[in-house]
Amino acid sequence: GQNIDQPTEMTATEGAIVQINCTYQTSGFNGLFWYQQHAGEAPTFLSYNVLDGLEEKGRFSSFLSRSKGYSYLLLKELQMKDSASYLCAASFYNQGGKLIFGQGTELSVKP
Amino acid sequence: SAVISQKPSRDICQRGTSLTIQCQVDSQVTMMFWYRQQPGQSLTLIATANQGSEATYESGFVIDKFPISRPNLTFSTLTVSNMSPEDSSIYLCSVGGGGSSYEQYFGPGTRLTVT
Repeated sequence: GQNIDQPTEMTATEGAIVQINCTYQTSGFNGLFWYQQHAGEAPTFLSYNVLDGLEEKGRFSSFLSRSKGYSYLLLKELQMKDSASYLCAASFYNQGGKLIFGQGTELSVKP
Repeated sequence: SAVISQKPSRDICQRGTSLTIQCQVDSQVTMMFWYRQQPGQSLTLIATANQGSEATYESGFVIDKFPISRPNLTFSTLTVSNMSPEDSSIYLCSVGGGGSSYEQYFGPGTRLTVT
């Protein structure tokens, strides 16, 4: 299988930093996506990592370690509007571009 | 980025009936995907819609239950056949960015309730 694992839920305080981890099986792995999904809405693309290292995009950064089968999404200066589900998804070679999603991490930002 | 629309946005259907969901993209794309998101769950891929050939279904999904059409590079339909309450879900279509773009974009989803 190609299990994608991430925590079910996390809570953090407004203005703080939170790191959401994701692990995946490395066999045939191609790239790692992060999506944000607010309740009742479609997922929106946040980031894509294919090389090892940290990719920074404003308040959000995403990290990948291909050898460890590990990624994280880092959210800085948390705002109340960041309360959402964060979905980790992986693509695999010879899988025609489809994505395998983790179960999602429900992030609650408290004042 | 691709702009994707889906019809209908939501529907309430009776058990045993069928519903066809449409997905329209504003540009030609090679890859189109159909996902299901059951209440409180993450996304599960149903099938890849291939232009000019039959769709490729994931384990647990069959053509008789979820027939898919892909008549051209900007449009696809997913039919949920002989519905039961267990089919109540959000159905989303997704497209690849095309060319060298790695991004995948999602449509707004169709919220289906089966009574």
